[in-house]
Amino acid sequence: QQQVKQSPQSLIVQKGGISIINCAYENTAFDYFPWYQQFPGKGPALLIAIRPDVSEKKEGRFTISFNKSAKQFSLHIMDSQPGDSATYFCAASSLGWAGSYQLTFGKGTKLSVIP
Amino acid sequence: DAGVIQSPRHEVTEMGQEVTLRCKPISGHNSLFWYRQTMMRGLELLIYFNNNVPIDDSGMPEDRFSAKMPNASFSTLKIQPSEPRDSAVYFCASSLAWAELLAGAGNEQFFGPGTRLTVL
Repeated sequence: QQQVKQSPQSLIVQKGGISIINCAYENTAFDYFPWYQQFPGKGPALLIAIRPDVSEKKEGRFTISFNKSAKQFSLHIMDSQPGDSATYFCAASSLGWAGSYQLTFGKGTKLSVIP
Repeated sequence: DAGVIQSPRHEVTEMGQEVTLRCKPISGHNSLFWYRQTMMRGLELLIYFNNNVPIDDSGMPEDRFSAKMPNASFSTLKIQPSEPRDSAVYFCASSLAWAELLAGAGNEQFFGPGTRLTVL
């Protein structure tokens, strides 16, 4: 059962444009929603994360919008740059019984920003 | 800190051979995760440990896969015998566990560079 659905699978945006990636989740127990960025040949790295007590979080050009009632969250990249070209993963988790955050990842979105 | 260290970075082996992947988590982290990444299935959690104890191995595909964490600074993922469908990139990640999280520390998972496994 896929608990986090991510779309689109791939995205091409012109330099300076806005990139938008969407995710939807099913498990209402999720209480932590991070986005990870992965460059080719590298491991994923945390980009930005949000908890459900806020509807938006902004860090530089990156913004997470969160809609608890719809069980959806999205990543917006403003003024997209070629250096943003990477694969982006949304994820969700809740504090497990053993005390660790076990992440459930979306399938990923390959973003290409063209000059 | 050097970050999460994985070895080898690349492994090419023949079907039926034993493969051992290694991971050194970030010092002070007490949760360790093994993931597998493929184009078809994305990032899959295989198993994770808290304080060297395996907590959830429901993602381990079959008995050919096994993982150990003999101490806080080392973990292995073993595949025996290996099959071509095991070809993937295997990532190890580490993070702080709940005591630190409740104290306000971030719950970020730090990923290693991965091991690209090819089984011929």
